[in-house]
Amino acid sequence: GAVVSQHPSWVICKSGTSVKIECRSLDFQATTMFWYRQFPKQSLMLMATSNEGSKATYEQGVEKDKFLINHASLTLSTLTVTSAHPEDSSFYICSARVRGAGVNQPQHFGDGTRLSIL
Amino acid sequence: GQNIDQPTEMTATEGAIVQINCTYQTSGFNGLFWYQQHAGEAPTFLSYNVLDGLEEKGRFSSFLSRSKGYSYLLLKELQMKDSASYLCAALNFNKFYFGSGTKLNVKP
Repeated sequence: GAVVSQHPSWVICKSGTSVKIECRSLDFQATTMFWYRQFPKQSLMLMATSNEGSKATYEQGVEKDKFLINHASLTLSTLTVTSAHPEDSSFYICSARVRGAGVNQPQHFGDGTRLSIL
Repeated sequence: GQNIDQPTEMTATEGAIVQINCTYQTSGFNGLFWYQQHAGEAPTFLSYNVLDGLEEKGRFSSFLSRSKGYSYLLLKELQMKDSASYLCAALNFNKFYFGSGTKLNVKP
């Protein structure tokens, strides 16, 4: 149980393109999902917390107008990288917490999306 | 701010025991989690501690001392497939803050 699906798994596109990444909880509901970014040989950096039915909260230094987050339902959050540039190339991973689970319960991660901007 | 420290890389022999340490300084604390991550893949959950002491899950155990801001992950009976990065993450309310990860190399 507690499977998180992330799509697409790999994206290669031209500079200036906007890219949408989907994160779905397949067998549970998630009121809260999280978006991370990981550069090569570095750890996961939390970008934003996605809350169902309300605005996402962004970590310091993350541009909310560049990384648009929508959490339209209890099973889907999307991250849109707008006008992507080569420096946005990274591994983007989402995670979700089971609805009703305590704060100190593990988050469940998607398989990640590798974004390459040419 | 949040500061999570762990060694960059370790090497151990198949069948042996290895301990990966993690120290943390966070503005709030709700638990310490350990994840395994193979290159190019998402992290998978291994173990976590909310209270002080040792939690054992098969070949993996994790220890926490909140007063010292310290945790370790213990891997027993190492297997070649255990070669991966091990991420320490401190939970501050509902947000995880990850360390840079420890790359474990298991050699025959």
